[in-house]
Order: sequence, then C-alpha cells, then structure tokens
Amino acid sequence: GQNIDQPTEMTATEGAIVQINCTYQTSGFNGLFWYQQHAGEAPTFLSYNVLDGLEEKGRFSSFLSRSKGYSYLLLKELQMKDSASYLCAGMDSNYQLIWGAGTKLIIKP
Amino acid sequence: DVKVTQSSRYLVKRTGEKVFLECVQDMDHENMFWYRQDPGLGLRLIYFSYDVKMKEKGDIPEGYSVSREKKERFSLILESASTNQTSMYLCASSPGQGAEVNLETQYFGPGTRLLVL
Repeated sequence: GQNIDQPTEMTATEGAIVQINCTYQTSGFNGLFWYQQHAGEAPTFLSYNVLDGLEEKGRFSSFLSRSKGYSYLLLKELQMKDSASYLCAGMDSNYQLIWGAGTKLIIKP
Repeated sequence: DVKVTQSSRYLVKRTGEKVFLECVQDMDHENMFWYRQDPGLGLRLIYFSYDVKMKEKGDIPEGYSVSREKKERFSLILESASTNQTSMYLCASSPGQGAEVNLETQYFGPGTRLLVL
C-alpha cells in the first residue's frame, strides 16, 4: 500500500534549526512535496524534490533520498511565524498525491 | 498569483440536507481536486477532475458527488449530509498533467469548515 509517515508534533526554540522527517512508500514515484499550513488556513506550497539531494530556498531546505524513501524539511533561524503544520506528500506514478497527516511545529520563545 | 476561492468559509447544515460546496479558480488550470481534512488523518482525496465534464473518484467518494460544467468551477455535492461528513473541505487546482511534474503543484482554496448537526 501507499503510505506517508511523519512525526505528529515537534517543538523547537525561536532562532534554532529544526528538521522534520518524512518517509514514503508510493506506487512509482514522481516527486515529493512539502506544504505549510497555518491553523485554520489552506496549505501553501513550500518545495518539490524529484532528484536526490538538497534544495535550498532561503531559510527552508528540503532533502530527498529516493533509495531510502526519505525526505526532510529543514527550517533555519526559526521565527514565531513558522509555527504551523508541515505536510509531506508523495506523488505516485499516476501523478496522484499521497498525503501525510502533517507535523505540527510549535515554536517557543 | 493563483487564486482559488470557495463559496463559504463556515457552513452549518442539518442531517439529510443537500449541501453544495463551490470552488472557483482563475488561472485556467486543467486539474481540480476536492479533499477533506480531519485531525490526525491528513488530506484525503474525495474526487478530482482533469477536464470539463470529467470526474474521477478519489480515495473516499462515498456520500459525495461532483460537477464540473465549466473549467474554472468544480462543485462538491453532499446528497444527504450526515454527521460523519463534518470536516474541513479543501479545494485545490493544478496547471496540468504531463511530463513536467512541477505542473502538479496544487494550489489550495481557503477551505470550508462544514458542521453537520
């Protein structure tokens, strides 16, 4: 079956670095997405990886290892506004997104 | 900027009522999706559409139907609402299917929080 696993909740301190892991099992693979969702709002696109390695976008970076079925989202210089849920989604061979349940990130001052 | 709008942010309905949730996107996207989001379960795909008048069942289509008469509009219908359909409903659109997978990036509407009493 298809499955996305990510931690339910994480806590970090303002100014620090946090890594949110995601493991995936999909029928075929056409990439891995990360979305950010603030409470009560819609998810917004953060990153897309289809090749192995690290993609950096400002304070956020996303990593993919296809051989391990593994990705992580790295957030640096954490700010209070980064408190949100982070959704990992794998795209299967039919271009369908398989969504994880999301990781709620709590930032403490 | 892509804009996806949904007809209501909050909706309260009674069991057995017929419910219409409307979604409109203004970027001429081919694909449109309806999800529900429940705590601890992630996004679950109800229905999607790759073209006008075309629809495909997602993972949890039971109790729902959809309509796509125009490219920009995708409606979700609950024929007879039940309490287990209380949820957050999210509409999304993406440019198109094809070799350029980044075209599959989905853009979400603000969501409709539906309460069925």
